[in-house]
Amino acid sequence: DQQVKQNSPSLSVQEGRISILNCDYTNSMFDYFLWYKKYPAEGPTFLISISSIKDKNEDGRFTVFLNKSAKHLSLHIVPSQPGDSAVYFCAASSTSSGTYKYIFGTGTRLKVLA
Amino acid sequence: EAQVTQNPRYLITVTGKKLTVTCSQNMNHEYMSWYRQDPGLGLRQIYYSMNVEVTDKGDVPEGYKVSRKEKRNFPLILESPSPNQTSLYFCASSFLMGISPLHFGNGTRLTVT
Repeated sequence: DQQVKQNSPSLSVQEGRISILNCDYTNSMFDYFLWYKKYPAEGPTFLISISSIKDKNEDGRFTVFLNKSAKHLSLHIVPSQPGDSAVYFCAASSTSSGTYKYIFGTGTRLKVLA
Repeated sequence: EAQVTQNPRYLITVTGKKLTVTCSQNMNHEYMSWYRQDPGLGLRQIYYSMNVEVTDKGDVPEGYKVSRKEKRNFPLILESPSPNQTSLYFCASSFLMGISPLHFGNGTRLTVT
């Protein structure tokens, strides 16, 4: 039972354009969400997070949007750069359920074309 | 530099030969966790620890053991490795589980023949 889903295994975007990565979740108890970026031969690195009390969080070129009613979050990268080419994972956790884990999606491979 | 350190980075072993993957963090984090990454399956949690001497199973704990005798160290033990444990393993730590991000090590690629 995949509680966090990234339905697009890959995405290609032209340099300078917007990249939009999507993530859906099924557990309504999730209230904290994160995005990670992973380069080959490295561990995932934290990008940006959002709490369920907000619907948007920005950090430089990266913005995460949360739609609680649709159980959907998205990561926008504007403008996209070749160095953004990596695998992106979304993750979710529930701070109130008493379970101490982050559930990860299966990842989306972003390729930014120069 | 704040970091999570895993060793070794690469390991090839044979079925049944006990092995340990070490993990150490220098951020005084209370929460530590092990994940495995497999194609098409994302990152799946093996075990986690909320603090010293407190460990619990994640989603895929079968065939693994862990211990947390010190705050900074969280080794992953495979008592009798099997080929289906061939995977990429990541250790991670967090200051406050659920409201602060996980910091990951660089991974250990394990091959069991």
